[in-house]
Order: sequence, then structure tokens, then C-alpha cells
Amino acid sequence: QVQLEESGGGLVKPGGSLRLSCAASGFTFSDYYMSWIRQAPGKGLEWISYISSSGSTILYADSVKGRFTVSRDNAKSSLFLQMNSLSAEDTAVYYCARADGYSSAHFDFWGQGTLVTVSS
Amino acid sequence: HSALPQPASVSGSPGQSIAISCTGTSSDVGGYSYVSWYQQHPGRAPKLLIYDVTHRPSGVSSRFSGSKSGNTASLTISGLQAEDEAYYYCSSYTSSSTLVFGGGTKLTVL
Repeated sequence: QVQLEESGGGLVKPGGSLRLSCAASGFTFSDYYMSWIRQAPGKGLEWISYISSSGSTILYADSVKGRFTVSRDNAKSSLFLQMNSLSAEDTAVYYCARADGYSSAHFDFWGQGTLVTVSS
Repeated sequence: HSALPQPASVSGSPGQSIAISCTGTSSDVGGYSYVSWYQQHPGRAPKLLIYDVTHRPSGVSSRFSGSKSGNTASLTISGLQAEDEAYYYCSSYTSSSTLVFGGGTKLTVL
């Protein structure tokens, strides 16, 4: 069965960096676009990035552009999110999700999320 | 693209039907047939309910249905059940090739 498992979250100081990972299993990872979506405590969902199946196309939300970098290793069925220049506004649960459909515009499988807390 | 407006809360009694709206623009909801809906119980990951405006993934109850008129998409839940109490989010593809979520709606089953 499809499984996505995020890791790498934790407490980081403002201005710091963190790298999240998402291990995928149960499907052919290299066939799918993947996304990162976050949810601040008590708030709604925010799409932040997606990466095409080959990694050749990457898009970011304006809120993270220039600070976050998404990448993937298809040989290891893994997705990554490098987060730099973190601020309190980046505190959230970060989910990786598999994008499906012709437009890759919906997410049919989600991980359980990893919490990132930015605080001094 | 700012978060798509959704009502903050809706409520209904068991067995009733409710609808949740998601209002966008011609640059997102109105311009594409790529609207999705997700259900999220507290402390859990979101679950896909509807994709491409009206399609249900296998395993999702037929009590959940989606529609769109102009720039507004809607999720209808019929025959409300206690386990439907959750948060519901819409999302849409946008003209920037990005995705945007709605602000979320809390459904209370009375």
C-alpha cells in the first residue's frame, strides 16, 4: 500500500535551517509529481511546493520562494525540502503528498506530517 | 493567490444535507476543472474526498459530491453522520500553475 513518511522536523532558531525528508513506498515514485503542504497550528492548509516526476519542473508558493528548495531522489524514492532563513511564520506541520491526475492538481495520499517549530 | 474563501463553519443534524462553498476567481476555481475537496479530522492528515470538481476516489462514500458554477465550487454532504464532523478544505489549480487551498470550514454535526 502507498505510504509516505516525513522526518526531519524539530525545533530550530529563527534564521536557522532544516531539511525535511519524505520516504515513499508502495508505488512507483518516479511516476508521480510530489508536493509539500504545511499547516500552521490551528490554521488551514497551505500549498508550498511541487516537483515534477523527473525533477525538471519545480514551483513554489511566494511565501517560501527563495528560502525553500525541494528536490527528489527517484532511486531512493525520497522527497526533500531544504528550508533556510526560517522564521516563526514557518512553524507548522509539514506534509508530503502524492499529486495525481492529469494536472497533478490533487493529492491522493498524504504522510502523517512532521512538526517544525521555529523559536528562540 | 490568497486562500480561497470558505465559510468558517457550518452545521447540520444527522440525516440532513449541507453544502460548503469555495469562492474563487476566473484565475483559479472558475478557470479550471481542477477543484478538489479534503476532509481533515483533528490531529490527522487530510483525506481526498473529491477531485476534478465532481469525481470521487474509490472508497469515498457517495454521500459526498462536488459541483461548480462559475467561480464557486461546492461540496455537498448528504445524510450527515456523526463521523462527518471535521474540517473541510477546497483547493484549486491556478493560472500560475500553482495550487491554492481554501481557508477551511468546520462542520459540526448537531
